[in-house]
Amino acid sequence: KQEVTQIPAALSVPEGENLVLNCSFTDSAIYNLQWFRQDPGKGLTSLLLIQSSQREQTSGRLNASLDKSSGRSTLYIAASQPGDSATYLCAVYEPAGNQFYFGTGTSLTVIP
Amino acid sequence: DGGITQSPKYLFRKEGQNVTLSCEQNLNHDAMYWYRQDPGQGLRLIYYSQIVNDFQKGDIAEGYSVSREKKESFPLTVTSAQKNPTAFYLCASIESSGNTIYFGEGSWLTVV
Repeated sequence: KQEVTQIPAALSVPEGENLVLNCSFTDSAIYNLQWFRQDPGKGLTSLLLIQSSQREQTSGRLNASLDKSSGRSTLYIAASQPGDSATYLCAVYEPAGNQFYFGTGTSLTVIP
Repeated sequence: DGGITQSPKYLFRKEGQNVTLSCEQNLNHDAMYWYRQDPGQGLRLIYYSQIVNDFQKGDIAEGYSVSREKKESFPLTVTSAQKNPTAFYLCASIESSGNTIYFGEGSWLTVV
């Protein structure tokens, strides 16, 4: 069964820093990988979607990379802002069984 | 606007009661999912449905039941058999290509 791990579980950085969040998965037979943002008490909002054939995706200050062979993805946030404070989750999709597998998330705090 | 609507946002349940959480989507998606999220943990799959009148158990289905009589609706009943129901519940749906998963805003259930 697919297992998704996110490290670190929590991260605190001063405003303006660039940072990297990590996501690893055990089975490389994925269809795509998504990064989500979750604010306290809210649902998940999709940030970036990387298809299995792609290496990276960019949206504004966010850049996500995917290395299927090593079972890793990173989310790079440039010039962090206090508004970036949230929990970030990654999820991989496997078409067999139509299943998503989620990591436990990284709680990010950006200090003004 | 298209999206997923969950209700109620907050629900209190007495011991021994069944409660039903509503999930409605107007995205015309076939597949719908129910997840449970506990503090500091990832999302765990309760039930999912790929088409109307069909649904499958997820990893933690015990004490829960669902129905899928309409494409737009996938209600979740938390029965009295669920011994630790206090949690945040998230409903989701995906488009047929499986590319993106969309979430509702979630429902908080507390046992009093």
